[in-house]
Amino acid sequence: QVQLQQWGAGLLKPSETLSLTCAVSGGSFSGNYWSWIRLPPGKGLEWIGEINHSGSTNYNPSLKSRVTISVDTSKIQLSLNLNSVTAADTAVYYCARAAIAHAFDIWGQGTMVTVSS
Amino acid sequence: QSVLTQPPSVSGAPGQRVTISCTGSSSNIGADYSVHWYQQLPGTAPKLLIYDNSNRPSGVPDRFSGSKSGTSASLAISGLQAEDEADYYCQSYDGSLSAWVFGGGTKLTVL
Repeated sequence: QVQLQQWGAGLLKPSETLSLTCAVSGGSFSGNYWSWIRLPPGKGLEWIGEINHSGSTNYNPSLKSRVTISVDTSKIQLSLNLNSVTAADTAVYYCARAAIAHAFDIWGQGTMVTVSS
Repeated sequence: QSVLTQPPSVSGAPGQRVTISCTGSSSNIGADYSVHWYQQLPGTAPKLLIYDNSNRPSGVPDRFSGSKSGTSASLAISGLQAEDEADYYCQSYDGSLSAWVFGGGTKLTVL
């Protein structure tokens, strides 16, 4: 049973860098893409980007200039860095596994990140 | 503004049937990309409800069904129960944006 456990700083000031990590346990890391997705308050879900076990990435063009997603295969973890944050980046951030037809079938518990001066 | 358009809210009485629409365009749903649906209960992560337009993962009751036609998709919930009260999101791929996209979400209220 694959599980995702995520963590990271929950309160940032404008212009700082958001850093989150997601650990995969209970299953294989290869053969899937692993995404970061966020849910801003009062808005819909937004896909941030994804990575596979070999480090191949795809990013949402709207965030691409500020996002870096990386993988540590030895620790079976993926990480998200989002630089130059503003209040608009305040959201609950999730990591998730892409499965059949790229449906996200397994999700982390979510991390609330607030950007405020 | 979400790429996929959903009604902000729907409601129904216990036992009734409700549908939630997800309207896209020729660059996403209309381009024959799969549509998936998620249920998000308050304070929890989204849960996959329907994948590849109309398939249910193991454990999802057959009260939930999905369909797709043209540039739109729908989620139907029959035999409405109080526990179905949640937010529902659709997802697809947009070839013009080269990104996975979601709807803005629909809040289901069970009266």
